[in-house]
Amino acid sequence: DAGITQSPRHKVTETGTPVTLRCHQTENHRYMYWYRQDPGHGLRLIHYSYGVKDTDKGEVSDGYSVSRSKTEDFLLTLESATSSQTSVYFCAIRGQGTSPLHFGNGTRLTVT
Amino acid sequence: TQLLEQSPQFLSIQEGENLTVYCNSSSVFSSLQWYRQEPGEGPVLLVTVVTGGEVKKLKRLTFQFGDARKDSSLHITAAQPGDTGLYLCAGVVNDMRFGAGTRLTVKP
Repeated sequence: DAGITQSPRHKVTETGTPVTLRCHQTENHRYMYWYRQDPGHGLRLIHYSYGVKDTDKGEVSDGYSVSRSKTEDFLLTLESATSSQTSVYFCAIRGQGTSPLHFGNGTRLTVT
Repeated sequence: TQLLEQSPQFLSIQEGENLTVYCNSSSVFSSLQWYRQEPGEGPVLLVTVVTGGEVKKLKRLTFQFGDARKDSSLHITAAQPGDTGLYLCAGVVNDMRFGAGTRLTVKP
């Protein structure tokens, strides 16, 4: 299995609080992604990174920010969590070219 | 509107039956990938198809990439309970986009 770890695996938080999810990789891959998965929508891209300090928005980026200060870590921050951000969040990494995505096991976030 | 439309959304069949799931788009892709996801885990790659008209086989699974590289199908022969899961197709536009998936249940 690709070396990719998400933390925490589960989190319950209240509306309006900040939340940060962490993705850590040991593969030295250039590309890292954050997706959310909701019933009926599949996986939707939030943000992605193509290198240290190089990030870009995905299709559902509103309400989220990311940072990548080191190759191995990609952080997803919800500045002020809302109930609509209750979801399962997946981090993925990818090497060069058409290499596939390797996913972490997800973080289940509940915003009450 | 999803960039990649998958059908059917749900499929429940008996062990031993054959099935086909579809992944369609109006966009042309340089390649499409199929993933399988089990509960509590992230998706895992099954196959990548690159050439229009390409057919790839993985044991009882057959993957086809359309000639125009806009669509793909996954055919499973003699389905088994272990095939149960969420099947996702994905393609690269500017970034990797996924369909909503087909949730397959194979009953013993």
